[in-house]
Amino acid sequence: DAKTTQPNSMESNEEEPVHLPCNHSTISGTDYIHWYRQLPSQGPEYVIHGLTSNVNNRMASLAIAEDRKSSTLILHRATLRDAAVYYCILAGANSKLTFGKGITLSVRP
Amino acid sequence: EAGVVQSPRYKIIEKKQPVAFWCNPISGHNTLYWYLQNLGQGPELLIRYENEEAVDDSQLPKDRFSAERLKGVDSTLKIQPAELGDSAVYLCASSLRHSSYNEQFFGPGTRLTVL
Repeated sequence: DAKTTQPNSMESNEEEPVHLPCNHSTISGTDYIHWYRQLPSQGPEYVIHGLTSNVNNRMASLAIAEDRKSSTLILHRATLRDAAVYYCILAGANSKLTFGKGITLSVRP
Repeated sequence: EAGVVQSPRYKIIEKKQPVAFWCNPISGHNTLYWYLQNLGQGPELLIRYENEEAVDDSQLPKDRFSAERLKGVDSTLKIQPAELGDSAVYLCASSLRHSSYNEQFFGPGTRLTVL
């Protein structure tokens, strides 16, 4: 399975945009890019996914580089409830979600 | 719509005792997953069911772990006997079908502590 690389942690201020980066230089043409997040004491929660084009939903936006070797999850206006571990995952031919350690996002009031 | 339901939420047992976790997936979801999550790590897949068939159990330690999904709905994951190293959160997830573009819906997990 192709792997992703994320920073360990990031801090942001409440009500400001947050850009969470993810590198996936070995991505294959059929790999989907998924983002999940996990709030404390909860199971992971789906955020967004995409293949080639940028994607928007009510929770976030996903910006995918033209060569697909990196992507960025964008939270347009961070709230305290967005503090969580965010996982960037590639889902390929076997469709498995292989979670790494993710990036821990802290939001300052 | 009800989400994935798991019980119990917490379980404390002594080593060598058996333990079972129960999961009720979202109605209509054919695929059910069991994951193990150690502290500070991401979830790791233990087993995947398509309806009542276990189609990927390569990461399930079969000497002590077992799982079943009778009638293709609810599922139970069992450990017998439990060891200290089994202390972790056990997560159940479901999806409409297993594909690289379908999202998985996770339950809150069962936190197991083995003393």
